[in-house]
Amino acid sequence: KNEVEQSPQNLTAQEGEFITINCSYSVGISALHWLQQHPGGGIVSLFMLSSGKKKHGRLIATINIQEKHSSLHITASHPRDSAVYICAVSKDSNYQLIWGAGTKLIIKP
Amino acid sequence: ETGVTQTPRHLVMGMTNKKSLKCEQHLGHNAMYWYKQSAKKPLELMFVYSLEERVENNSVPSRFSPECPNSSHLFLHLHTLQPEDSALYLCASSQKTGWEMDTEAFFGQGTRLTVV
Repeated sequence: KNEVEQSPQNLTAQEGEFITINCSYSVGISALHWLQQHPGGGIVSLFMLSSGKKKHGRLIATINIQEKHSSLHITASHPRDSAVYICAVSKDSNYQLIWGAGTKLIIKP
Repeated sequence: ETGVTQTPRHLVMGMTNKKSLKCEQHLGHNAMYWYKQSAKKPLELMFVYSLEERVENNSVPSRFSPECPNSSHLFLHLHTLQPEDSALYLCASSQKTGWEMDTEAFFGQGTRLTVV
């Protein structure tokens, strides 16, 4: 069993829908990261958080440390949001990130 | 555009070939990383360089040989690879070494490698 689990693995939605991607982890962490991987392969860091909630444009990330759970929300989704969203956690400020397998999101016009 | 450039974007090589992947960043970052991403599997950290010194080798087979000649460039030399080495190889860089709270990693577009 992976230490970082994401759900769903695949998600298809219509433009404008509210999207939620979940991430659960089973280890103690120093921070949790959400990243976006485009079809071409490049990865962009979206959020790093260790508590509470962060918002950037239409993206919102929340984390519940007690429940070891984080969610990434996308409001007013758009086809350009189509990508793989990856959750990763860092432990003890070392070089390693423990990566989730990713959620493939497709937004249809 | 993240500021991390990888070449080539696609590479097909035979098992007896020798090839190299290149990564370049001019962000002034001190750490550079090689990751392997296989289909439907999480990213696997391969190597970490900090200030041109290798600080992490994540049990990677010797057929993968990294080189960091300066803080802006990172290479991954490939020789006698196996078909199971086919994957997306991603380079990343960060200001600091280690995933501290304010350390953001910048990734390249990746090299899609196919070993035949």
